[in-house]
Formats: sequence, C-alpha cells, structure tokens
Amino acid sequence: EVQLVETGGGLMQPGGSLRLSCAASGFNVSSNYMSWVRQAPGKGLEWVSVIYSGGTTNYADSVKGRFTISRDISKNTLYLQMNSLRVEDTAVYYCARDSDTPYYGMDVWGQGTTVTVSS
Amino acid sequence: SYVLTQPPSVSVAPGKTARITCGGNNIESKSVHWYQQRPGQAPVLVIYYDSDRPSGIPERFSGSNSGNTATLTISRVEAGDEADYYCQVWDSTSDHWVFGGGTKLTVL
Repeated sequence: EVQLVETGGGLMQPGGSLRLSCAASGFNVSSNYMSWVRQAPGKGLEWVSVIYSGGTTNYADSVKGRFTISRDISKNTLYLQMNSLRVEDTAVYYCARDSDTPYYGMDVWGQGTTVTVSS
Repeated sequence: SYVLTQPPSVSVAPGKTARITCGGNNIESKSVHWYQQRPGQAPVLVIYYDSDRPSGIPERFSGSNSGNTATLTISRVEAGDEADYYCQVWDSTSDHWVFGGGTKLTVL
C-alpha cells in the first residue's frame, strides 16, 4: 500500500528548532518529487518546500533560509528541518508525493503532524 | 508571484450541481489541480491536469479551464461532498506551487 506517515511535531518556543519526518511505504522517495505543505489553524493550504528526484530543492519565500528539506534513501524517509521557528510557523505539516511535471499534482498525502510555536 | 482566487464559500442543495471557480491570470496556460479536504483530514486529489480524475474519484467530479478561470464541477451533490476545495497550479516563474485560498462547499 502506498502510504506516507509524518512524525515529529510538537510544541516549540520561538527561535527553536524541530525536525519533521515523513516515512514512505509502497514507493521510493528518491524516485519521486516530494513536497511539504502546511496549513495554519483555520487557514488554507500553503506549499512549503519540494525536493526533486535529482536532489535539487526549492522553498517558499516564507521559510527560505530557515527550513531545509532532505531525504534518507536507506530509510525511505523525507525530512523537514525547521530552524528559527516563528509563531506564524504554527500549522499542520503534510508531506506529499509530488509530480515531476506540472501536470499531475500531489497524489499521495500523509495524515499530517502538528507544529505549535508559542512562548 | 502568481495568485489564485477562489470564492470563500459555495452552497448547493443535494442532487444539484456545484461549481467552484479558481481565477488566475491566463490560467488556461497552466495545468490546474483540485483537492478536496474534509474536516480533520488530509487533502485528496480529485482533479488533475484541468479535467482528469484519479482512480477512485467519482465521475460526478469534473473540471475545466479556459481564459482566466478554472472550474471544478460536482454533479448530483451528496452530503459527503461537503468539504473545503483548493485549486493549485505550478508557477514556473518562481518554481513554486501555488494554492488558491480554498472554497467551503456547504450542502444545504
């Protein structure tokens, strides 16, 4: 079964760091484009970051320089390292299997993990 | 950056047709995807490449894209269709995905 399971969310203070994990099953993370998408409480979806199959990465302006997307091929797991956390980073974070072209969208999503940034 | 505009809410009676729009500059030149998100759940892709349906998505869901507006159409609406719906495109200028603000579909 194709599945994504996120872990690592929690309550953090502003300025802190957190690493989210997204374990994949049924397909290879390394062979696919993979994205992180977040949703602040009561708000819409916001794309955060993508890692291409070749390893190139890209980030939303709101997290560039603070967040780092990566993957571990041996563990078939996607990560999001979040540094210098801000209150506005509070959200449910979803990982998703992305498309390697603009034509197919994100067809597999995890259940999400909640990050709360508060003093 | 590219902006997608959706109406905040759409209401429809059961059995009728719901149409949810997604506006963007020359959006017809882009491939539009649609997601359904029920309360407390992760998004689900319901339409990709403007009008294609992933396996398992009912034929009641369809999409179109012309000019500056893409439209998600849900025929014979059921109570279970009540959810938030988001459109999405790839902005090749910034190499970023862009989501619309979302539309809450209420089944009366």
